[in-house]
Amino acid sequence: DTAVSQTPKYLVTQMGNDKSIKCEQNLGHDTMYWYKQDSKKFLKIMFSYNNKELIINETVPNRFSPKSPDKAHLNLHINSLELGDSAVYFCASSQMTSGGRSSYEQYFGPGTRLTVT
Amino acid sequence: GENVEQHPSTLSVQEGDSAVIKCTYSDSASNYFPWYKQELGKRPQLIIDIRSNVGEKKDQRIAVTLNKTAKHFSLHITETQPEDSAVYFCAASRLGRLYFGRGTQLTVWP
Repeated sequence: DTAVSQTPKYLVTQMGNDKSIKCEQNLGHDTMYWYKQDSKKFLKIMFSYNNKELIINETVPNRFSPKSPDKAHLNLHINSLELGDSAVYFCASSQMTSGGRSSYEQYFGPGTRLTVT
Repeated sequence: GENVEQHPSTLSVQEGDSAVIKCTYSDSASNYFPWYKQELGKRPQLIIDIRSNVGEKKDQRIAVTLNKTAKHFSLHITETQPEDSAVYFCAASRLGRLYFGRGTQLTVWP
């Protein structure tokens, strides 16, 4: 029973290509996130969707476009890949409180290691 | 935005000793403070968390303390074991955003 799953696990591609990463959660949560973990292990939030609506968009190049077809899925599409995009991308989910504040735990997916050559 | 500082960046202890990791945050509106453990090549896993209306929380060998006035919180691991070796991240949350510290590589020597 995988709570948060991502595909693919590994992605190797060349500069300039376009690629997508998929995420699914079966926890019934209403909020999903994308994080980027760089080579120094720093974890930084990129996006968050609540019930299919974008609620957080940190300073991320517009080559990155998240899409949420339903509240159990959040995909990440990256255009014109650059060397600096190489990282591990983690999807996460949580249940946001009715007051709009997410003070509950976030559960992470297994990560997608993206390598751009 | 929120700024979370975490120290030390590396920590080596002998099996059975205690380990303490400290974090500070900048935004007084942050109200949730989780700690994650990440083993090599794995996902971050929540090990303990604390909310801003609580000063201390304990779960077996792990405890977390929060000082809202000073804006700092700490993770305490007692009776460390080799399997506690991992990178530990603190985080502060407000408005649904988790802001992470830069991590502490904990190594427990047998």
